[in-house]
Amino acid sequence: AQTVTQSQPEMSVQEAETVTLSCTYDTSESDYYLFWYKQPPSRQMILVIRQEAYKQQNATENRFSVNFQKAAKSFSLKISDSQLGDAAMYFCAYRSARGAQKLVFGQGTRLTINP
Amino acid sequence: EAGVTQSPTHLIKTRGQQATLRCSPISGHTSVYWYQQALGLGLQFLLWYDEGEERNRGNFPPRFSGRQFPNYSSELNVNALELEDSALYLCASSLAGQGAGMVKAFFGQGTRLTVV
Repeated sequence: AQTVTQSQPEMSVQEAETVTLSCTYDTSESDYYLFWYKQPPSRQMILVIRQEAYKQQNATENRFSVNFQKAAKSFSLKISDSQLGDAAMYFCAYRSARGAQKLVFGQGTRLTINP
Repeated sequence: EAGVTQSPTHLIKTRGQQATLRCSPISGHTSVYWYQQALGLGLQFLLWYDEGEERNRGNFPPRFSGRQFPNYSSELNVNALELEDSALYLCASSLAGQGAGMVKAFFGQGTRLTVV
């Protein structure tokens, strides 16, 4: 079974600075997808960025980028120019490319932005 | 376009009772997923429905069940409620089928179930 681990329960960063959230996963599959979701106090999960495992190029979405290291099974999220609105719980998630299409989530990292 | 809607927003039940949670997916989405988010924990996969059938089930006891209706909306039923069932229950919908793994799953805002 696949597992996702986020080793940082909490992180904080000064507004306008850069922060990196860590995520590692365990799988025996070679084809899969990885996601970062944001959960603000409103509770709704919002997709931040996604990565296809067969693509070597790291995904980027404006201020958000990932460092995908397939051999190391690592998928970190970098947030540049942090904004107050970035404060939320961030979840890393894994989804198999075949079979069950459920998302497997990590425990989450609570990100605080200091003004 | 309406997003994923869940009802009720909050639900308070007594231990031993049954709870019914509802989810309406985004129009055009045939897959509905249910997740449990207990306090301080990540999301745990509960159930996946697609085209009216249960496709996959997480590691939860049989008293967690559900169904998907012809209009693709879904119900999650929790029987014989226990205190540890208190959690946020999130529903997500997406397109399904081959190649859907990369497709964005849209989440609702959840139902906060409290068992007293």
